[in-house]
Amino acid sequence: AQSVAQPEDQVNVAEGNPLTVKCTYSVSGNPYLFWYVQYPNRGLQFLLKYITGDNLVKGSYGFEAEFNKSQTSFHLKKPSALVSDSALYFCAVRVLTGGFKTIFGAGTRLFVKA
Amino acid sequence: SQTIHQWPATLVQPVGSPLSLECTVEGTSNPNLYWYRQAAGRGLQLLFYSVGIGQISSEVPQNLSASRPQDRQFILSSKKLLLSDSGFYLCAWSVDSLYGYTFGSGTRLTVV
Repeated sequence: AQSVAQPEDQVNVAEGNPLTVKCTYSVSGNPYLFWYVQYPNRGLQFLLKYITGDNLVKGSYGFEAEFNKSQTSFHLKKPSALVSDSALYFCAVRVLTGGFKTIFGAGTRLFVKA
Repeated sequence: SQTIHQWPATLVQPVGSPLSLECTVEGTSNPNLYWYRQAAGRGLQLLFYSVGIGQISSEVPQNLSASRPQDRQFILSSKKLLLSDSGFYLCAWSVDSLYGYTFGSGTRLTVV
């Protein structure tokens, strides 16, 4: 079955430290992968995507993600975390099941402590 | 520029009452439209999607229905709400899923 997994419910980092939010996927064919961020009581905001090309993708707010085909992973990273990065992060993958749809991971809550 | 409007922002409804949530998109034509439900502030469940006027695909059997009476309007409805319908409902649009989705600001529905 095609799926996306975020193995961590929560990630805690200190401000200024690097952060990683993990995502793994299982799809048929080429993966199209996305990261979104959600602040409290708001809709999701698009951060970045991988379609093809360089494995390191740069996105909004200083975030980047590394596509690793052999490990079927697409981890979200940032070199230096900010308190304002605290939010809920979703990994998503486009799948083909009678039409193209996007499925989302369960989300990882990021806490950045000052 | 493209914008997506979703209302109301919050709604408290009694069990057995009807529901109508509206979502409209501006600045684009023939968007793909989606309704998601987010329970307990975590994962998203795709409820319905639409690739054109009058074309609705349902992902899960449930107490809800969706309609697309106009190109840029997507409505989520129920004839009789259940307690389990409580949640945060998100509308989204895309031109092509390759480009990602743009989400509305969400409606928090509490059924009491």
